[in-house]
Order: sequence, then C-alpha cells, then structure tokens
Amino acid sequence: RKEVEQDPGPFNVPEGATVAFNCTYSNSASQSFFWYRQDCRKEPKLLMSVYSSGNEDGRFTAQLNRASQYISLLIRDSKLSDSATYLCVVEENAGKSTFGDGTTLTVKP
Amino acid sequence: GAGVSQSPRYKVAKRGQDVALRCDPISGHVSLFWYQQALGQGPEFLTYFQNEAQLDKSGLPSDRFFAERPEGSVSTLKIQRTQQEDSAVYLCASSLSGGTQDTQYFGPGTRLTVL
Repeated sequence: RKEVEQDPGPFNVPEGATVAFNCTYSNSASQSFFWYRQDCRKEPKLLMSVYSSGNEDGRFTAQLNRASQYISLLIRDSKLSDSATYLCVVEENAGKSTFGDGTTLTVKP
Repeated sequence: GAGVSQSPRYKVAKRGQDVALRCDPISGHVSLFWYQQALGQGPEFLTYFQNEAQLDKSGLPSDRFFAERPEGSVSTLKIQRTQQEDSAVYLCASSLSGGTQDTQYFGPGTRLTVL
C-alpha cells in the first residue's frame, strides 16, 4: 500500500462543474499537507497548503481530517485551464515529502 | 527572478554509462531536494540537502546514485552504470528554509532515457 493514495481518475468534467479529489495518507505523524498541480510534461507547482481548519483560495477549497488521515480538494466552477494532474503531498518532517501518484482532471467545453 | 534551472533537459545514455545531472536552485534557498518521477506516477523523494549537508538520502534507490552540493548552492545528481529502470524525469526543487510548510519550487526536470 502506498503511503499517499489518491483517487485513480481520470476525471472528465464539463466547464462550470464542481469536482472533488480525495487523498489518504498512512503516516499519522505527518505534519504538513499540500496540493500541487502538474501540467503535462511540466514541473509540479504549489496550488495550496492544507490546514486543519480548512482553507479556501478562490474556487479552490482544501480540507484536512487528521483523525481519518484524509485530505480533499474541491474545485468549483471548473475552467478549461484547470485541466492538469493534481498531486497530494504529505510532509513527514522538514525535508521529506511524499507525493501521491496524482489525479488527472480534464475540463471540457 | 530566476527560478530553479536544471541541465541537461534531456539525456540519452547507453546502459552502463555514467550520467551527471545538474541543478541550480533559486539564489539564497537553503534547502534542495531531488526527486525521481516515472511516467504516470508522482515524484519519488531521493535526497535532501540543507546548505551543503545531505540530511536525508533514504530515497536513493541504490549505491549507483550519488548526490552532492559541495558549496551549498549548485547540486549534482550522479548515476553510475545506468540501467533501463533509471529512465525517468529527475526533478530538483529548492525552498527558502526547508522548514515544514515551506514551499518547494521545482525545476523543469531532466528527462533521462537509458537505452
């Protein structure tokens, strides 16, 4: 079992749809949590950090449930430009991050 | 300002050859990370430096892999006697301090193909 597991995807949604991605992690001592976005054949880029209280950045909402070891990302009003692979990242300690294999999203007109 | 740069961007090696991959982090960034990303998978942690000190090398897959950052800036990942399973994209990232919650900024990667 991988340390960080994500929905297998792919997700194909129409513009304007709301889509949610889930991620579970196995190390209960993990300290920090992130969502990164990776476009095809490009490097990963930070989308947002995930805090215990939940946090929102425009159309994106991230939530963390430490008891269930579960992280989610909600994208509202999907745009064509949201098409990418979304990587769940769990930081065990400073310097050691574990990435999920990503969930691919395609937003269609 | 300049981001993280990596060279070469593409490398084709014959099985058994040695390769050296270079990473130039963002100026002033203390921490530097190397990852290996196979097709269709997420990046896998290889090693981590804080300044010139290699604090974690637990992800290096074998003793054929070696990384250094002698002056606390540029880093080189060396792979000796390359094998076909080494074919992947090698990503370098840097962060300002390396503390938890610190953003990692990735370079464009080096795509290594071993024939």
